[in-house]
Amino acid sequence: AQSVTQLDSHVSVSEGTPVLLRCNYSSSYSPSLFWYVQHPNKGLQLLLKYTSAATLVKGINGFEAEFKKSETSFHLTKPSAHMSDAAEYFCVVSDRVSGTYKYIFGTGTRLKVLA
Amino acid sequence: DGGITQSPKYLFRKEGQNVTLSCEQNLNHDAMYWYRQDPGQGLRLIYYSQIVNDFQKGDIAEGYSVSREKKESFPLTVTSAQKNPTAFYLCASSIAADISIYNEQFFGPGTRLTVL
Repeated sequence: AQSVTQLDSHVSVSEGTPVLLRCNYSSSYSPSLFWYVQHPNKGLQLLLKYTSAATLVKGINGFEAEFKKSETSFHLTKPSAHMSDAAEYFCVVSDRVSGTYKYIFGTGTRLKVLA
Repeated sequence: DGGITQSPKYLFRKEGQNVTLSCEQNLNHDAMYWYRQDPGQGLRLIYYSQIVNDFQKGDIAEGYSVSREKKESFPLTVTSAQKNPTAFYLCASSIAADISIYNEQFFGPGTRLTVL
């Protein structure tokens, strides 16, 4: 079975500095990976997804992630944090179970942006 | 304006009562999902449905029930058998559940259920 590990439960950065949210996965085959963002008491919004077409994936709001098979990682980055980036971020792997594809969620990383 | 709607946004329940959470989508998606979110645990799958009149249990189905009588609607009932129902509930949909590993899920705004 696939699994995903988000290495930090909380990350704090100053506004204007780079953001790094770490995600590692385990997979027995080529995975599909996603990053979602959730603002307080809201639903999840897709930031980006890895579909094997390119290892560097660009998403919305200036976020990007790099798929590194050798490191089994899919870390999320942004060059310059904005106050509006403060939210919880989920790394997700899609797993095939009994003929259907299901999401396996990481436990989330809460990003705090300091003024 | 396409998307997923969930109602109500906040719901309070007394112990021993059943409550039903609404989820509607106008994306013409075949697959729909219900997740439960607790602090520090990510999202866990309760039930999912790939097609009308069919649904399967997820990882934590005990104490919950669903129906899928229409493609657009996938209501979740939290029964009195659910021992710890206080949580944030999220509904999602995708084009299909069995075609591509790359299909993304679209999420509704959620319902926060509190048991008094």
